Amino acid sequence: EAQVTQNPRYLITVTGKKLTVTCSQNMNHEYMSWYRQDPGLGLRQIYYSMNVEVTDKGDVPEGYKVSRKEKRNFPLILESPSPNQTSLYFCASSLRITGELFFGEGSRLTVL
Amino acid sequence: DAKTTQPTSMDCAEGRAANLPCNHSTISGNEYVYWYRQIHSQGPQYIIHGLKNNETNEMASLIITEDRKSSTLILPHATLRDTAVYYCIVRVASGPQGAQKLVFGQGTRLTINP
Repeated sequence: EAQVTQNPRYLITVTGKKLTVTCSQNMNHEYMSWYRQDPGLGLRQIYYSMNVEVTDKGDVPEGYKVSRKEKRNFPLILESPSPNQTSLYFCASSLRITGELFFGEGSRLTVL
Repeated sequence: DAKTTQPTSMDCAEGRAANLPCNHSTISGNEYVYWYRQIHSQGPQYIIHGLKNNETNEMASLIITEDRKSSTLILPHATLRDTAVYYCIVRVASGPQGAQKLVFGQGTRLTINP
């Protein structure tokens, strides 16, 4: 089944404790991206990747890092999480520039 | 990317057609209109997209006005499972950020009533 898989789905952590949210897609998509969703602010793009080793900042990249060493994986790294990074995170991928985005089921992160 | 304007909420009776409007008066010639929906806090789901011609797929129809300043998403026979937030997005179809950059507004909360 074609899908985008995120882990963990739920996480409660403390300020400053490094964490990684993994994202994997099995559709051989070149394009992948991360979004965060907050009440009243909608979905905002954090980072995106055009292909392996090609990444760039979205609208809200501060406090996040990403890497794209393999085509299928696009992990989101929070080196030193802070409470303002408490949010619902979505990973997405697509095959072509004009194609549809496939979203993962989301990862709800709480930073205390 | 051009900005879109959608009603905050709408209601529709089950079995009837749901017509969701979207204004995008500043749309550029190379920008597509996309529709996604989000059920509860699940990942957004692609519905349909188009440039200037009307489009139809198994989920919905997209009607784009001739001047491309507005569009309407039509769910022909709405069911309770169509209750969701519907996002209308315009996006550049080329360039590095066009590939992935989607600006989601607040969307329209569509409620299908029995």
